[in-house]
Amino acid sequence: DAGVIQSPRHEVTEMGQEVTLRCKPISGHNSLFWYRQTMMRGLELLIYFNNNVPIDDSGMPEDRFSAKMPNASFSTLKIQPSEPRDSAVYFCATATGTGTSPLHFGNGTRLTVT
Amino acid sequence: AQSVTQLDSHVSVSEGTPVLLRCNYSSSYSPSLFWYVQHPNKGLQLLLKYTSAATLVKGINGFEAEFKKSETSFHLTKPSAHMSDAAEYFCVVSDGKTSYDKVIFGPGTSLSVIP
Repeated sequence: DAGVIQSPRHEVTEMGQEVTLRCKPISGHNSLFWYRQTMMRGLELLIYFNNNVPIDDSGMPEDRFSAKMPNASFSTLKIQPSEPRDSAVYFCATATGTGTSPLHFGNGTRLTVT
Repeated sequence: AQSVTQLDSHVSVSEGTPVLLRCNYSSSYSPSLFWYVQHPNKGLQLLLKYTSAATLVKGINGFEAEFKKSETSFHLTKPSAHMSDAAEYFCVVSDGKTSYDKVIFGPGTSLSVIP
């Protein structure tokens, strides 16, 4: 089991640039979550997919953020244009799809926007 | 509405002494409860989970937690702290039985272990 794989591990970009974060879920997991972690706000749920369909995107901060899950083995989180306040660690987590099953987290992408 | 409170933002213990990290929750239903650990520059890792079976739950690395419905608590304990236990710990509650309608993370407790 390779676990949840996120890329890149680190991303440094300038304000205004487009950023794309990637996630490969554990095979067979049909729920996928994108979280953002900062010192000020802690862990925030951005969006939740079930069977590749977005179920809850109420945590997406604004229209600059978008997420897709084109198939069961890949998801992206895109920020365009990026701003310094987007600097954070972004985690992807997956689960088998019931509320009693734990989330499995990737190691995160540390995003720095200058 | 459900919520999670971690009563201590930071706990410091000496190596070899017991660890107690406190968590209280509120939930309208019979919840599923989890503890996760996050080491620096890593993702969150599941320590243990409670899903309405035995109220005393054993997890990895010698940790355990007891579900007390009357006190709405799910405190995490370990008899003897090790240096490698220094990390951030998150208590999590889920009300969804068939879907992840609501998964709520507590704010976290930072555990320091003094040699």
